[in-house]
Amino acid sequence: SQQGEEDPQALSIQEGENATMNCSYKTSINNLQWYRQNSGRGLVHLILIRSNEREKHSGRLRVTLDTSKKSSSLLITASRAADTASYFCATDVGGMRFGAGTRLTVKP
Amino acid sequence: DTAVSQTPKYLVTQMGNDKSIKCEQNLGHDTMYWYKQDSKKFLKIMFSYNNKELIINETVPNRFSPKSPDKAHLNLHINSLELGDSAVYFCASSTVLAEGETQYFGPGTRLLVL
Repeated sequence: SQQGEEDPQALSIQEGENATMNCSYKTSINNLQWYRQNSGRGLVHLILIRSNEREKHSGRLRVTLDTSKKSSSLLITASRAADTASYFCATDVGGMRFGAGTRLTVKP
Repeated sequence: DTAVSQTPKYLVTQMGNDKSIKCEQNLGHDTMYWYKQDSKKFLKIMFSYNNKELIINETVPNRFSPKSPDKAHLNLHINSLELGDSAVYFCASSTVLAEGETQYFGPGTRLLVL
């Protein structure tokens, strides 16, 4: 069954703005990952955060994890048009479980 | 060099036909997967193989049969195709790290059943 659920389903911002996407899940996890999918392409791994971590950074990406609320957020700072893609969270429960993703559009 | 490759990229076929999708990874990973992504972009795991052995088999019709001749290949055979099988099918591979697995996805196979 589906594990991660992203929110919002779609997000449209101007270049230079920050984009925040949220993910909620239902059961205990060992880690949570965020992936990116460009239109017509496969998913690409962005970042992994372990259940004992609260925040992690990678370049312009910042991920937080709140295991008490069973939620995570992905922040992309200073967005670029090239960040336009769908973003998925995935949890490691009986195999990787993905949500339906957040479709991010960054307008130049 | 492509890490995870799938063939064909596009597949258009008639209802009732049998078709196969091939997947190969050159990353030396032990685990491979098949996912189905529907029109709403929801990505669902179908199968997982570790060293040629079936690990995960989700509730998938038995018309879908994965075959792993070696740990670098995981093919998906679909019998008696139905309209609802139309989707994008992704192959992926991973190696289990101490902190968890990272999956590497192929480019996808777009299947359209008419």
